[in-house]
Amino acid sequence: EVQLVESGGGLVKPGGSLRLSCAASGFTFSTYSMNWVRQAPGKGLEWVSAISSRSDYIYISDSLKGRFTISRDNAKNSLYLQMDRLRADDTAVYYCARDRVVGATRGTFDYWGQGTLVTVSS
Amino acid sequence: DIQMTQSPSSLSASVGDRVTITCQASQDISKYLNWYQQKPGKAPNLLIHDASNLETGVPSRFSGSGSGTGFTFTISSLQPEDIATYYCQQFNSLPYTFGQGTKLEIK
Repeated sequence: EVQLVESGGGLVKPGGSLRLSCAASGFTFSTYSMNWVRQAPGKGLEWVSAISSRSDYIYISDSLKGRFTISRDNAKNSLYLQMDRLRADDTAVYYCARDRVVGATRGTFDYWGQGTLVTVSS
Repeated sequence: DIQMTQSPSSLSASVGDRVTITCQASQDISKYLNWYQQKPGKAPNLLIHDASNLETGVPSRFSGSGSGTGFTFTISSLQPEDIATYYCQQFNSLPYTFGQGTKLEIK
């Protein structure tokens, strides 16, 4: 059974940093591209970042460039999102999501974690 | 960025009704369009990929159609468990973008 479990969320002050993790199991993690998608409270979905299976290709939303960094460790079956200089409008549930097609960064998310809440507030 | 506009934003229907949601892209996205269902407090769930392909395990009452800039999502006979918010999403080009969502309620 495919499982994605996020962790690392919490309350952080504006300007602070946080590192989210996503532990994957039930599939060959090293062959799939992965993504982060966020959802502000009561709002819609926003794609944040994608990373190819071997980290060859990394994409990030223009509005987050310079503050957010995606990475992965295939040996640990884990995905990460380093978030720096956090702002109040970064408050959201952050989901990790698997790209549906093996070996491709295609933008179709077939499995999602349960999400981890990040709250940026003083 | 490609803007995705869903209509309506909310919808109330009765069990057994046929329900249709539309999604318009701000530019041609061919068939690079997905539909997701999100129930309250839960992660989204992929229902339809590539505009019209039913994801494995998804009931056949769900369907999608369209190409280019106009897309339609249909529930042929609404069931109580279909109460959720539905999102379209384009993957023609980065950044991937979602529609604003359609909240479906039971009348």
